[in-house]
Amino acid sequence: EVRLVESGGRLVQAGDSLRLACATSGFTFTDYDMHWVRQVRGKGLEWVSAVRPANDAYYLGSVRGRFNTFRENVWDTFYLQMNDLRVEDTAIYFCVGERRELGFAFWGHGTQVTVSS
Amino acid sequence: QSALTQPPSVSAAPGQRVTISCSGTYSNIGSQRVNWYQQLPPAAPKLLIHTNDQRPSGVPARFSGSKSGTSASLAISWLQSEDEADYYCAAWDVGLDGWVFGGGTKLTVL
Repeated sequence: EVRLVESGGRLVQAGDSLRLACATSGFTFTDYDMHWVRQVRGKGLEWVSAVRPANDAYYLGSVRGRFNTFRENVWDTFYLQMNDLRVEDTAIYFCVGERRELGFAFWGHGTQVTVSS
Repeated sequence: QSALTQPPSVSAAPGQRVTISCSGTYSNIGSQRVNWYQQLPPAAPKLLIHTNDQRPSGVPARFSGSKSGTSASLAISWLQSEDEADYYCAAWDVGLDGWVFGGGTKLTVL
């Protein structure tokens, strides 16, 4: 059974840092690109970042320079380090697995990040 | 404002067919694969269509995707009440070097 379990979401203040983690199991982790996708409650989906098996990463423009995503393949886990958080970063953050060019096949249940001013 | 444009809502009666459009540019839909997702809030989204028109195993044949130029469409035939959900298109954008989603379409089964 495929499982993706996010952790680390909580209430923080603007300017704070936070690290999200996504522990995975049930699939070959190194065959997948891993993504973070966020969703403001009641709103649409927004892609945040991706990290490929060799740890090359890509970012949404508004988070580039503030967020860093990386993976530990030996532990089948990947992370989102979020620095200088802003109120507009408030959202549910989903971790997602993508078999290259076959779509975002695996999704976690999401973790809530709330940034207060 | 989303990089991909979808209608905010569509509706149809059970048994009918509905289509959801997704409009983009050459830097995303026009040159890249399009994927579609179904979300029944508050659950996580589910992959419905990948690579423009491919259904993952377990997705009913009632769901189909297509792409032409800088637009894509999701069609749902023989609508059922359980199809009532939010639908999103997505594509890689070579200009932004990242994934972009449509704003989402809420499907109501009358």
